[in-house]
Amino acid sequence: DTAVSQTPKYLVTQMGNDKSIKCEQNLGHDTMYWYKQDSKKFLKIMFSYNNKELIINETVPNRFSPKSPDKAHLNLHINSLELGDSAVYFCASSLQGSTEAFFGQGTRLTVV
Amino acid sequence: DQQVKQNSPSLSVQEGRISILNCDYTNSMFDYFLWYKKYPAEGPTFLISISSIKDKNEDGRFTVFLNKSAKHLSLHIVPSQPGDSAVYFCAASARYGNKLVFGAGTILRVKS
Repeated sequence: DTAVSQTPKYLVTQMGNDKSIKCEQNLGHDTMYWYKQDSKKFLKIMFSYNNKELIINETVPNRFSPKSPDKAHLNLHINSLELGDSAVYFCASSLQGSTEAFFGQGTRLTVV
Repeated sequence: DQQVKQNSPSLSVQEGRISILNCDYTNSMFDYFLWYKKYPAEGPTFLISISSIKDKNEDGRFTVFLNKSAKHLSLHIVPSQPGDSAVYFCAASARYGNKLVFGAGTILRVKS
């Protein structure tokens, strides 16, 4: 039973395309996140949702739009992909008020 | 601005010896600190944490020490085992923030 699962694991796409990454957690958590690990290996938070409401929105281009249909899912849609969007994107979840986040296995996005 | 710094990109240790991973932070609002372990092609997994009201937390072979005046924490692994070989991320959060700020990670190699 995977606690936090992301699909796809690998995504190769051309510049200008629109793509989505899906995330689901079966831990009963009410807070979900998207983190980006860039080429320098830093993990940086992009978004945080609590009970389907946006809580944290770091300085991320408007081309990135998270969508949370319910508290077990947080999808990431990216419009007009650019070369600089190439990175590993991690979904995570936690209980509200807890900073001990559980991470998915990551989605390696490569924009060519 | 790197608020959490792991200045050693890598560390190599002999099996059975102690591994010491270091982390420095600059934001005095941080009051909760975590260590995550990451294997290749997997997401980070929570290892151990410490609140700013403590200066030490121990869990089996893993001990985290916090020196608030120096804004420094360290993770001690003893005895080190080959299975400990992974990337170790230090992370910090401010109270109620629910947002983790990560360091760049330290690659630990335990040689048998």
